[in-house]
Amino acid sequence: AQSVSQHNHHVILSEAASLELGCNYSYGGTVNLFWYVQYPGQHLQLLLKYFSGDPLVKGIKGFEAEFIKSKFSFNLRKPSVQWSDTAEYFCAVNFGFKTIFGAGTRLFVKA
Amino acid sequence: ETGVTQTPRHLVMGMTNKKSLKCEQHLGHNAMYWYKQSAKKPLELMFVYNFKEQTENNSVPSRFSPECPNSSHLFLHLHTLQPEDSALYLCASSQDVSGGVKNTQYFGPGTRLTVL
Repeated sequence: AQSVSQHNHHVILSEAASLELGCNYSYGGTVNLFWYVQYPGQHLQLLLKYFSGDPLVKGIKGFEAEFIKSKFSFNLRKPSVQWSDTAEYFCAVNFGFKTIFGAGTRLFVKA
Repeated sequence: ETGVTQTPRHLVMGMTNKKSLKCEQHLGHNAMYWYKQSAKKPLELMFVYNFKEQTENNSVPSRFSPECPNSSHLFLHLHTLQPEDSALYLCASSQDVSGGVKNTQYFGPGTRLTVL
């Protein structure tokens, strides 16, 4: 069965630190990949998405993600986080007609 | 800012009550979704509608009853719920369910449901 796993449930960083959140999936076929962010008290927002082409995808607010097909991974990165990046981050993978979300990673950035 | 609206934003109900959650999308999409978001659990897909037809029911108990009168509106009718049904219920929409870019989902703010 298809699955999506996010390795870290909680991450605490200081401002200006670099961020990398892991996301792996299990499925051998074609996938479409997404990262969503949920700021405290707000709705889920699309951060970035990958469908085809350049495996390095740039999203809003300085985030980027790299699709590594051989590793079934789509890790989210940001070179320098800000306090305002405190939020919960969800990886999602679309397998044909179905989209599965990871359990989420809560990021807390200390000012 | 969001093209998907949900009402009410908060709902408290007893186990014998009947209530409904409403979702409306203003994006011209044809697919709509209900998700349940509980603390410390992954987002759980409940129902999917594509062009008003239900295409997925993810083994959801019958005390949750969806209704999709048109492509812009989605309801979730609730009756005889249990305390463990307390959660954030999210609605989402996408262009359709054919995969690829058309499957990009846009979410509403959710309804925070508490069952006493």
